[in-house]
Amino acid sequence: GENVEQHPSTLSVQEGDSAVIKCTYSDSASNYFPWYKQELGKGPQLIIDIRSNVGEKKDQRIAVTLNKTAKHFSLHITETQPEDSAVYFCAAGIYNQGGKLIFGQGTELSVKP
Amino acid sequence: NAGVMQNPRHLVRRRGQEARLRCSPMKGHSHVYWYRQLPEEGLKFMVYLQKENIIDESGMPKERFSAEFPKEGPSILRIQQVVRGDSAAYFCASSPPNTYNEQFFGPGTRLTVL
Repeated sequence: GENVEQHPSTLSVQEGDSAVIKCTYSDSASNYFPWYKQELGKGPQLIIDIRSNVGEKKDQRIAVTLNKTAKHFSLHITETQPEDSAVYFCAAGIYNQGGKLIFGQGTELSVKP
Repeated sequence: NAGVMQNPRHLVRRRGQEARLRCSPMKGHSHVYWYRQLPEEGLKFMVYLQKENIIDESGMPKERFSAEFPKEGPSILRIQQVVRGDSAAYFCASSPPNTYNEQFFGPGTRLTVL
């Protein structure tokens, strides 16, 4: 079955710097890759997603890139702010075949003012 | 548009008791997913349901756990004879009928087994 590895497990940056979180997946059938942000005591919030028919997607300060050949995808956050501090999860699934998302282990991002 | 609702938010049970967790999907959403999150870990898929049907229960423990999504009312995740290892946060997500993977999560139920 699918396996998703996520790195790093913790990341500390200064406010205004960029943050990059990387994930790899094992199942070449996976074609949908969402990213979630989870704040303490809350449920995961979908922040951006990408399908395998595109290589990059951007939404304001966040962007996701996908390399299908290498089976890895990354989240980029620019101009980080203290409110970006949270745990970020990547996931993989098969779009429109329904069902499960396989999640990475999470990255705890800390943005220092 | 209200988000995914889960209740209770916190549930304490003694070993051997039953736990019932409820999830009301977002309006217009017909797919429900349950995930479990152990402390300091990622989310693990448990089960995927549509109204009155279990589509994929490959992540569900074979014993003591069951899930349903009736025609009327919320989805229920039921854990019988709870053990300490069941202590975790249980999240429900829902998705619209035509975009199965865009899953929106509720706030979770934090189960503590004493």
